[in-house]
Amino acid sequence: DAGVIQSPRHEVTEMGQEVTLRCKPISGHDYLFWYRQTMMRGLELLIYFNNNVPIDDSGMPEDRFSAKMPNASFSTLKIQPSEPRDSAVYFCASSSQGVPGLEQFFGPGTRLTVL
Amino acid sequence: SQELEQSPQSLIVQEGKNLTINCTSSKTLYGLYWYKQKYGEGLIFLMMLQKGGEEKSHEKITAKLDEKKQQSSLHITASQPSHAGIYLCGADIGGTSYGKLTFGQGTILTVHP
Repeated sequence: DAGVIQSPRHEVTEMGQEVTLRCKPISGHDYLFWYRQTMMRGLELLIYFNNNVPIDDSGMPEDRFSAKMPNASFSTLKIQPSEPRDSAVYFCASSSQGVPGLEQFFGPGTRLTVL
Repeated sequence: SQELEQSPQSLIVQEGKNLTINCTSSKTLYGLYWYKQKYGEGLIFLMMLQKGGEEKSHEKITAKLDEKKQQSSLHITASQPSHAGIYLCGADIGGTSYGKLTFGQGTILTVHP
């Protein structure tokens, strides 16, 4: 299995531009999570999906952030417009059933820099 | 304040030394996960503890859960340079949402050869 795949691995953009991060979860996993990691705030859960449906988006910082999961094998996290404070590493993770006792498999992350 | 507090924030040890990292929750724990992260990479699952008093080991790493204290400890025996990285604890706090984890700030471990 290829594991969780994220693209791009690095993204540098200018303030005000739209940024789209992509994630392909592990086949068969029915939970997908988007996290953001910064030095100041650590690792924060932004949103998670179960069977392609958003379950909890309380971690999404503001309306500039949106996430979609059109099918079981693909999800996007979009920032529009981007701001320098959005610079962080964004991780996607997936798991099966999501019940306690089952691990979340993390992708390698996308390092976003907004100038 | 953090719902999950890790201590210490950073640790520098000589190869061969033992070390312990702690993770304390301000809320009831419904599952405690330990992950390791190397710079620029994703998180690697180490182990998960669910019941009070539970203890698990993987190679030279042992984790324990003290449910009453709402605390978990990660112990590395005879540390090696390969153990270096960031250790994060994550927990299902409150048991209100399956799969929703809150993470501690992480402990940066450096092992000098």
